[in-house]
Amino acid sequence: AQTVTQSQPEMSVQEAETVTLSCTYDTSENNYYLFWYKQPPSRQMILVIRQEAYKQQNATENRFSVNFQKAAKSFSLKISDSQLGDTAMYFCAFMIPTGTASKLTFGTGTRLQVTL
Amino acid sequence: KAGVTQTPRYLIKTRGQQVTLSCSPISGHRSVSWYQQTPGQGLQFLFEYFSETQRNKGNFPGRFSGRQFSNSRSEMNVSTLELGDSALYLCASSYGRVNTEAFFGQGTRLTVV
Repeated sequence: AQTVTQSQPEMSVQEAETVTLSCTYDTSENNYYLFWYKQPPSRQMILVIRQEAYKQQNATENRFSVNFQKAAKSFSLKISDSQLGDTAMYFCAFMIPTGTASKLTFGTGTRLQVTL
Repeated sequence: KAGVTQTPRYLIKTRGQQVTLSCSPISGHRSVSWYQQTPGQGLQFLFEYFSETQRNKGNFPGRFSGRQFSNSRSEMNVSTLELGDSALYLCASSYGRVNTEAFFGQGTRLTVV
């Protein structure tokens, strides 16, 4: 069974600073996808960034980037120039695309607070 | 383009009752997945539908069921509600067979009293 571990329940960062959220996962599969989702108080899960395991290059989306270490099964999210609107729960998720079915396995989340 | 719409947003039910939640995916999306979110168990996968067929089911009792209609709208039903069923139920839609980009609705907050 695949598992996703987020070891930081809560983190705080000042506006304009950089913060890194950690995520590790466990799988014996070679082809999979990793995701970071953001869940603000509005409750809607928003996809922040996606990484395909067969791509060595780390994904980036504006101020968000990942450090994907496949051998170490690590997938951390770096948020640069943090903004107040980044305050949210962040979930790391994992998915194996079988072609006939796919489901997301989520970590327990990290609550990020961006302060002035 | 309208996003994923879940109705109702909030629901209060009594133990033993049944409830039906609705999810309208993004237009053109054929895959719908359901997740339960609780403070204790986190986010757990319930089931996934593609073109009216259930493709995958999570580890939930038979009281939890779902279906998908020809227009891709999906419903989930929980019968004989228990206090532990209180949760945020999230629906996600995606275009194809593989959910490499799933879009979530705002969820239905179910409270069982």
